[in-house]
Amino acid sequence: DAMVIQNPRYQVTQFGKPVTLSCSQTLNHNVMYWYQQKSSQAPKLLFHYYDKDFNNEADTPDNFQSRRPNTSFCFLDIRSPGLGDAAMYLCATSGLEGGPRTDTQYFGPGTRLTVL
Amino acid sequence: DAKTTQPNSMESNEEEPVHLPCNHSTISGTDYIHWYRQLPSQGPEYVIHGLTSNVNNRMASLAIAEDRKSSTLILHRATLRDAAVYYCIRYSGNTPLVFGKGTRLSVIA
Repeated sequence: DAMVIQNPRYQVTQFGKPVTLSCSQTLNHNVMYWYQQKSSQAPKLLFHYYDKDFNNEADTPDNFQSRRPNTSFCFLDIRSPGLGDAAMYLCATSGLEGGPRTDTQYFGPGTRLTVL
Repeated sequence: DAKTTQPNSMESNEEEPVHLPCNHSTISGTDYIHWYRQLPSQGPEYVIHGLTSNVNNRMASLAIAEDRKSSTLILHRATLRDAAVYYCIRYSGNTPLVFGKGTRLSVIA
């Protein structure tokens, strides 16, 4: 029944060692989002895809990249993780049902990244 | 900039109604109000949304002020499973959701 799946749920990496987080969806939604959520803070949008069109938030560090090889999958690559990148990373999807203003986002459970 | 204001935290007794306020005094005429909640160690989940009139669904009710400058999310009978951070979001549809700090709801047994 899971609709937005994130693997792994917990990821440990070393300072500077590239890491990839994955997200898949069974909803066939055309929009996929990546959020970063640090402890006790609100989710912060990093970037999103509308189909294959990539939209980067202005303040997303260059260290963060994303790939969307097909509708179902989206990846978050952190090229050189720093200690400040330790956070929960949330993937979400939306299908723009009913139009943009009434659109609902569906979130995965998140991947908690630890940087040693 | 989330452009909404919510209390940092609220507390409720189990099985009592909870009214979670949100101020959005600069809302434009076409912005919807969306509410999401985030249970501990989970991703946010959609709760409800509305434009002008009050809305009800199986999770909650949304009461929107006549001038649309504020709204209230109503949980009719709080349970321990409703303990979460509740986010009130103005949504124009032109850009993705912007989450503010939200209200942390504690439910006391």
